[in-house]
Amino acid sequence: SQQGEEDPQALSIQEGENATMNCSYKTSINNLQWYRQNSGRGLVHLILIRSNEREKHSGRLRVTLDTSKKSSSLLITASRAADTASYFCATEANFGNEKLTFGTGTRLTIIP
Amino acid sequence: DTEVTQTPKHLVMGMTNKKSLKCEQHMGHRAMYWYKQKAKKPPELMFVYSYEKLSINESVPSRFSPECPNSSLLNLHLHALQPEDSALYLCASSQVYGPYEQYFGPGTRLTVT
Repeated sequence: SQQGEEDPQALSIQEGENATMNCSYKTSINNLQWYRQNSGRGLVHLILIRSNEREKHSGRLRVTLDTSKKSSSLLITASRAADTASYFCATEANFGNEKLTFGTGTRLTIIP
Repeated sequence: DTEVTQTPKHLVMGMTNKKSLKCEQHMGHRAMYWYKQKAKKPPELMFVYSYEKLSINESVPSRFSPECPNSSLLNLHLHALQPEDSALYLCASSQVYGPYEQYFGPGTRLTVT
C-alpha cells in the first residue's frame, strides 16, 4: 500500500497556539494535498503543493514539502476552536489517473 | 455552485436488500469518485469515473456496482452486502487533468444489519 503515515495520531492544544502535523509517504509523487474532515462529514480541501515546490501558504496554513525525505508538514497558526477536526494528507503519484492516496490522519482538538 | 450532494444521508439495509447511493455535482467536473471510510480511518478509494467511463476499480467486491449515467450523476448500487460493509461512503468530483483538488460530498452513513 502507498498509504502515508501521519503523526501525531492525535494532538490537543490550547486555542491560540500553533499546531503542527506531519505526513510521510512511500513513493514518488506529483503533488501532495491536505484535507480537513469534521466528525463524520465530508472532506474539505485545504491546500495543494506540487512536487517542485518547497513551501506554500494559505491564510493561517503553511505547508512544507521535502521530497528527499518523502515528508510534508502542515502548520496551523493561531488555532481556533473551529479548527478541531481530523486532518489528512493525500498524495497523487501520477498525473492523469486522478488517484489520491490518503494518509492515516491526525485528530486535532483545540481546547477553548 | 461548489457543492457535491449525496443521498440518502443515512441508510440501514439488510444483507438481502438492494439499495442505491446517489451523488450529484454541477461544477462541470468530469472525474467522479467513490470512497469508503471506516471509523477513525482514512478514506479508501473504490472507483473512479473519468468522462463517464470507469477508469479505476480498486478490486472492489461485485456486490458494489457503480454507475455514471451522465456527467453530473454517480450511483453506487448495493446488493447482498455484509455487516463489515457498514461505513461512511463518500462521493467526490474533480477536473480530470490535474493537479486539482477533489470536492467531497457529506457522505452516506451505511449500516448493514
